[in-house]
Amino acid sequence: DAGITQSPRHKVTETGTPVTLRCHQTENHRYMYWYRQDPGHGLRLIHYSYGVKDTDKGEVSDGYSVSRSKTEDFLLTLESATSSQTSVYFCAISGGTSGSYNEQFFGPGTRLTVL
Amino acid sequence: AQTVTQSQPEMSVQEAETVTLSCTYDTSESDYYLFWYKQPPSRQMILVIRQEAYKQQNATENRFSVNFQKAAKSFSLKISDSQLGDAAMYFCAYRSQGSNQFYFGTGTSLTVIP
Repeated sequence: DAGITQSPRHKVTETGTPVTLRCHQTENHRYMYWYRQDPGHGLRLIHYSYGVKDTDKGEVSDGYSVSRSKTEDFLLTLESATSSQTSVYFCAISGGTSGSYNEQFFGPGTRLTVL
Repeated sequence: AQTVTQSQPEMSVQEAETVTLSCTYDTSESDYYLFWYKQPPSRQMILVIRQEAYKQQNATENRFSVNFQKAAKSFSLKISDSQLGDAAMYFCAYRSQGSNQFYFGTGTSLTVIP
């Protein structure tokens, strides 16, 4: 698998607290993505990045912000977590130079529970 | 936004038999890519197979093959000689050539019966 790590892998937090999830890649891929996975909804795009400091919203971006200050790191922040943000969060990358430009590679996921 | 539809939330297959998972998509583009991803209980998303829309030949990867019908906007996955390790959630995904956004279906949960 591509070198993608996510931290933390599991987190339990309380409503109203800020939460930051980190995605780190060692593949020098240009594009990075944050998805959430919920039963019956598949994977839904939260935000994505097409370069350092270049980000854009996905279909479920409300309540989330992102930052990318380095090629290898893409942070997802929940400013004030709500129970509706309980989900499994996946980071993905694409846009490498090894001929795998067209597909995405995924991190292992982070299970977030908001009480 | 493009729509990807997987109409079978659950499927089951006997071990060693063949099963076909369905996927349809809605697009006005002519150049795009289609993918099938597998998500076993470990939760890791694994690319199974991909198809470029400009290629008429259906993609094949060992026991996995697709039936790509561009005019019908259909992209089904056939798994031959099913194995217990094939049990997983399978997601169909679409990406336009001119975009870096991927669109996913809601998934099909495949059970393999020994």
